[in-house]
Amino acid sequence: QVTLKESGPTLVKPTETVTLTCSFSGFSLSTNTESVGWIRQPPGKALEWLALIYWDDDKRYSPSLKSRLIITKDTSKNQVVLTVTSMDPVDTATYYCAHFYGSGSFVDYWGQGILVTVSS
Amino acid sequence: QSVLTQPPSVSAAPGQKVTISCSGSFSNIGKNYVSWYQQIPGTAPKLLIHDNNKRPSGIPDRFSGSKSGTSATLGITGLQTGDEADYYCGTWDSSLNPVWVFGGGTKLTVL
Repeated sequence: QVTLKESGPTLVKPTETVTLTCSFSGFSLSTNTESVGWIRQPPGKALEWLALIYWDDDKRYSPSLKSRLIITKDTSKNQVVLTVTSMDPVDTATYYCAHFYGSGSFVDYWGQGILVTVSS
Repeated sequence: QSVLTQPPSVSAAPGQKVTISCSGSFSNIGKNYVSWYQQIPGTAPKLLIHDNNKRPSGIPDRFSGSKSGTSATLGITGLQTGDEADYYCGTWDSSLNPVWVFGGGTKLTVL
């Protein structure tokens, strides 16, 4: 059974860098076709895809945020880390970690999400 | 503004049928499979439909999906109050570097 859980700071100040960790079980990111992504949702707004990392370390980023995002994986720890630089109040959102099925075809499992608030 | 366009809201009475549209372009819906997600307020989204019209195990057949050209549609029959939620479509956009895109979401109200 696939499970994912996000962790990290829930309150950050403007201009700071936030590091979010996705800890997962039920699959290995060293296995062919596996991928994990990050998706966020500002309060009351729509889902926004941020980044995706594949088993072979290939990475995809949202064009609008690419300069501020870094996604990495630690296969031995079953973790995926998302770093977002230069945080701004508009980045306040629930950040979800998600397992993409079959080389990224669709999201079949979601984490519970972590609300990150950006405020001074 | 989302690459995929959905109506902001739809509504129908219990027992009735509703459809939710998702309009895109050749580079996204036209070339790739569409999936649909249900998000009950306060919870994480849940996969409803993948590969345009396939239901994961455990999703009732009241939910259906279809795709034609650059548009996709989610159908829900026999509406229940528990279906009241936000619904999102999603797919890849292959215009430049492939990126995943979501629709803007549709709030379903079961009157």
